[in-house]
Amino acid sequence: GDSVTQMEGPVTLSEEAFLTINCTYTATGYPSLFWYVQYPGEGLQLLLKATKADDKGSNKGFEATYRKETTSFHLEKGSVQVSDSAVYFCALSDDGSGNTGKLIFGQGTTLQVKP
Amino acid sequence: ETGVTQTPRHLVMGMTNKKSLKCEQHLGHNAMYWYKQSAKKPLELMFVYSLEERVENNSVPSRFSPECPNSSHLFLHLHTLQPEDSALYLCASSQRRGPLNYGYTFGSGTRLTVV
Repeated sequence: GDSVTQMEGPVTLSEEAFLTINCTYTATGYPSLFWYVQYPGEGLQLLLKATKADDKGSNKGFEATYRKETTSFHLEKGSVQVSDSAVYFCALSDDGSGNTGKLIFGQGTTLQVKP
Repeated sequence: ETGVTQTPRHLVMGMTNKKSLKCEQHLGHNAMYWYKQSAKKPLELMFVYSLEERVENNSVPSRFSPECPNSSHLFLHLHTLQPEDSALYLCASSQRRGPLNYGYTFGSGTRLTVV
């Protein structure tokens, strides 16, 4: 079945460092891809998305490009802040596999940014 | 305000208790979901309701019983739980049009501890 694999965490960076969180997926169709963020004590919030190959999603300085050839959707940010400390989830939506169109998540990657 | 409200935020219950989790969405969405988030595991989809009809049940034990009385409300009734059921239970909603989903929105979750 469809699945999402994220790099193991935690990722610990100093403020203003460059961030990359790797995400690869396995899907039989042409899924939409998402990054969600979960701040401590809160639910998941949509960070960005891409719905087709070569699309680039971006929001709050974060970017991710839908790479069909490498089945990847890596999250990047040029300069992280302490406030970016959170858990980041990569997900895909199996829009073509039936009537549920559910989100399938990776295991999450914890980011810790130190001042 | 995320538009999806979950109550209670925290719940401690004994293994012989019966309790219910509540989720309410104010977004006009027509699909609602229960997810389970355990430490160091991917989010697990438990139930999907579309237009108030349960369309998916991912092999969830019968001690979890969902109810969707209308498109704005979703409940998860709990009875005779086990300690391993302790987790964060997240509710989400989306607008479904055919096989596609738009605007997944998550609640802040209910932190459940079974003692």
